[in-house]
Amino acid sequence: GNSVTQMEGPVTLSEEAFLTINCTYTATGYPSLFWYVQYPGEGLQLLLKATKADDKGSNKGFEATYRKETTSFHLEKGSVQVSDSAVYFCALSDQGGGFKTIFGAGTRLFVKA
Amino acid sequence: NAGVTQTPKFQVLKTGQSMTLQCAQDMNHEYMSWYRQDPGMGLRLIHYSVGAGITDQGEVPNGYNVSRSTTEDFPLRLLSAAPSQTSVYFCASSYQQGNTEAFFGQGTRLTVV
Repeated sequence: GNSVTQMEGPVTLSEEAFLTINCTYTATGYPSLFWYVQYPGEGLQLLLKATKADDKGSNKGFEATYRKETTSFHLEKGSVQVSDSAVYFCALSDQGGGFKTIFGAGTRLFVKA
Repeated sequence: NAGVTQTPKFQVLKTGQSMTLQCAQDMNHEYMSWYRQDPGMGLRLIHYSVGAGITDQGEVPNGYNVSRSTTEDFPLRLLSAAPSQTSVYFCASSYQQGNTEAFFGQGTRLTVV
C-alpha cells in the first residue's frame, strides 16, 4: 500500500540556516505529493504541492521537487525564520490508493533567534 | 470566510460515554474526512465522505461512526469512548478527493479518562 516516510524530528536550526526535511514515498501509481504545515494550536495548511515527476512546488521560500527516480519530495528553504517554527507533514494521494491522502508522521522544526 | 469549523475545541470524557464531534464547511466541498493525530504517527484517516449520503471507512474506523446528510456537515460520533481514543481530531474538506488542496479545521483535543 501507499506510505510516506519523513525524517524524524525535532529539527533545531538557527535563524537564516538552510533547511532540508527529507520525505520518501511508496505508491502503486503516479501520486500527487504535498507538504502541509501545522502552526501551534492550528490545523494543517497546504504549503506546496507537485502533481507529476520533475515538478517543483514552491511557496513562501520553501521548495520541493518531485523525484520519481528516487521516490522523494524533500522540503528545502534557503534561510529559515523564527516564524517557520511548526510541524511539517509530507503527504501523497493517488488513484491506486483510492485518492485518500496519506500523511507522514510529521517533522517538528524549531528555529532559534 | 469560516472555512472548516470544528466544535468543541476541547473535551474530556469518561470511559464509556458517547459524544459527537461537529464539523461544518461553507465552501460547498464534496469531499470531507476525519483524521486523528497522535504523537509520532502523523494523521490517520478515520472515515471519509465523497458526497451527501455517501461515507466510507478509512484506516482506523473502529469505535467511530459518521453520517453525511448534507454537503456542509460531517459529524463524527464516538459510540463508547475508550482511553485509546484520546487524541487530536481534525476534520478536512476539499473540492474533490485526492489531488486538490485539503482545508482543515482547528482540531478537537479529546481526552478520555
